[in-house]
Amino acid sequence: ETGVTQSPTHLIKTRGQQVTLRCSSQSGHNTVSWYQQALGQGPQFIFQYYREEENGRGNFPPRFSGLQFPNYSSELNVNALELDDSALYLCASSLRLIGETQYFGPGTRLLVL
Amino acid sequence: AQTVTQSQPEMSVQEAETVTLSCTYDTSESDYYLFWYKQPPSRQMILVIRQEAYKQQNATENRFSVNFQKAAKSFSLKISDSQLGDAAMYFCAYRITGTASKLTFGTGTRLQVTL
Repeated sequence: ETGVTQSPTHLIKTRGQQVTLRCSSQSGHNTVSWYQQALGQGPQFIFQYYREEENGRGNFPPRFSGLQFPNYSSELNVNALELDDSALYLCASSLRLIGETQYFGPGTRLLVL
Repeated sequence: AQTVTQSQPEMSVQEAETVTLSCTYDTSESDYYLFWYKQPPSRQMILVIRQEAYKQQNATENRFSVNFQKAAKSFSLKISDSQLGDAAMYFCAYRITGTASKLTFGTGTRLQVTL
């Protein structure tokens, strides 16, 4: 059984640019959630996708958007990058919409200069 | 709004000893889940243990156990026979039962394990 994978592992961008982060969910999982973890903080929920549709969103602006594909993999897109977007971005997958445990990937470290 | 509070930024324990990490949460919901996740320097968030709020019995996973006090909204993690590999950030997390099952995390406790 393959776990949750994310790419890339690290990324450096400049302010104003756009970035796409990718996540492959654990085999059989149909729900993907994205979290932002600033340095020294706990993860903050960005949004969740279930069967290719957004299903819940945290307190993040519209420049944070996402996609989920038929194979349940997912992308997180961030437009007009700001310095405060520098963080670890975590993807988590789970088996059903109403929950079981969420399993996390290793994250993508984004640095915005 | 649901909040999760971890009041211990850092804890230290000697190898083979027992340590307890504290967590309190605030919610008006009656049906929810509580979790402890471990995040080592490798960054990957690893599930340690989970507790369903409707269950009175405290969850146990090998050396890890919880003390769940629903009325007090307290959910502490006890690590017995601590090992060097237990050194990590530990996050307490909460999720209500239902759709859009987002996790709400605390700020974490850094656990050091000494020889």
